[in-house]
Amino acid sequence: GQNIDQPTEMTATEGAIVQINCTYQTSGFNGLFWYQQHAGEAPTFLSYNVLDGLEEKGRFSSFLSRSKGYSYLLLKELQMKDSASYLCAVRDDGGYQKVTFGTGTKLQVIP
Amino acid sequence: GAVVSQHPSRVICKSGTSVKIECRSLDFQATTMFWYRQFPKQSLMLMATSNEGSKATYEQGVEKDKFLINHASLTLSTLTVTSAHPEDSSFYICSASYSPTEAFFGQGTRLTVV
Repeated sequence: GQNIDQPTEMTATEGAIVQINCTYQTSGFNGLFWYQQHAGEAPTFLSYNVLDGLEEKGRFSSFLSRSKGYSYLLLKELQMKDSASYLCAVRDDGGYQKVTFGTGTKLQVIP
Repeated sequence: GAVVSQHPSRVICKSGTSVKIECRSLDFQATTMFWYRQFPKQSLMLMATSNEGSKATYEQGVEKDKFLINHASLTLSTLTVTSAHPEDSSFYICSASYSPTEAFFGQGTRLTVV
């Protein structure tokens, strides 16, 4: 089975840096995704990691350690529009390569 | 980028009726599509894996006779909520991918059963 954990809520200040952690215990692993979801909207893709290390994409970076079952999403130079839920999701290595989502972290950016 | 279109975006139906939701991959072929359900303030819960030309694979606890999934072609999967009840009111989202590095989501369908 899949077990994916994230903090429920976080608050950070505009212009600051925030790190959202995700830990997982899964029966198979073939990549980890991070998605952003604003209220009432579908998730939008942020990043994908399948190898250990840091992937940087503009203000967003994502890190993966497969041996530790751990990932984080780093958001720099926070903007008010970054207030959203951030979903960690793991793809398994089965035939259909299902993507299972964590509980999501609701981030509030304050002035 | 790839586009997944979901229709309708909102639907209100009476209790006991059935509702069909369509999920289309507009510019790529998707052998597999996934259906998720999301209750307010909760994350996405995988309901089933839709496989083109074969039966869907349902997650534990999801009633296959209530949530009928048909994947008639490489670009279309449908989810039919049969005999809908108020507790079925939720946000339903499909996703599809053509590469292992990204999964694309439809816009979602907000179902309200009254």
